[in-house]
Amino acid sequence: GENVEQHPSTLSVQEGDSAVIKCTYSDSASNYFPWYKQELGKRPQLIIDIRSNVGEKKDQRIAVTLNKTAKHFSLHITETQPEDSAVYFCAGTRAAMFSGGYNKLIFGAGTRLAVHP
Amino acid sequence: EAQVTQNPRYLITVTGKKLTVTCSQNMNHEYMSWYRQDPGLGLRQIYYSMNVEVTDKGDVPEGYKVSRKEKRNFPLILESPSPNQTSLYFCASSSDRGVGELFFGEGSRLTVL
Repeated sequence: GENVEQHPSTLSVQEGDSAVIKCTYSDSASNYFPWYKQELGKRPQLIIDIRSNVGEKKDQRIAVTLNKTAKHFSLHITETQPEDSAVYFCAGTRAAMFSGGYNKLIFGAGTRLAVHP
Repeated sequence: EAQVTQNPRYLITVTGKKLTVTCSQNMNHEYMSWYRQDPGLGLRQIYYSMNVEVTDKGDVPEGYKVSRKEKRNFPLILESPSPNQTSLYFCASSSDRGVGELFFGEGSRLTVL
């Protein structure tokens, strides 16, 4: 089955610097890779996602890259701001083990990002 | 307002006392799911449901039950809670069979003594 590993578990940067979080996945059939941000005491919320037919996707200061050959994908945050401080989760799909083909998201363990003013 | 609502938000209970965490969504989503969040382990799926009366186990289903009698509701049942079920629980729904955006509830923090 799918396994998603996320690194680093904690990341501390100065405001204005870039932050990069990396994830690897095991199932070569995985085809959908979202990133969720969870602020302290809040629910996770989708910030960006990428599908396997695309190598890179950007949305303002955040971008995600996907390397299918190496089975890893990364979240890049540029010009970090204090409000970027949160826990970030990557995830990957895994085909369900029954007819119907529903996919199930497998989450990484999370990265706690701290942006210091 | 589109939302996923969980209750209770906080609960302290004792070992063996049955409890139910309710989840309701108003977005007419077919897909609903329960996750538990534990430090260092991320979000692990407990059960999920593709539609009314269709449910399946996630990665950590032991000790939990679910039902999906109505499209909007997906309660999580702990028949005989144990301390290792102390966790933060999230319900989520999606319109895209679980591979589109997941909309999470606010979470339910459960402590089993």
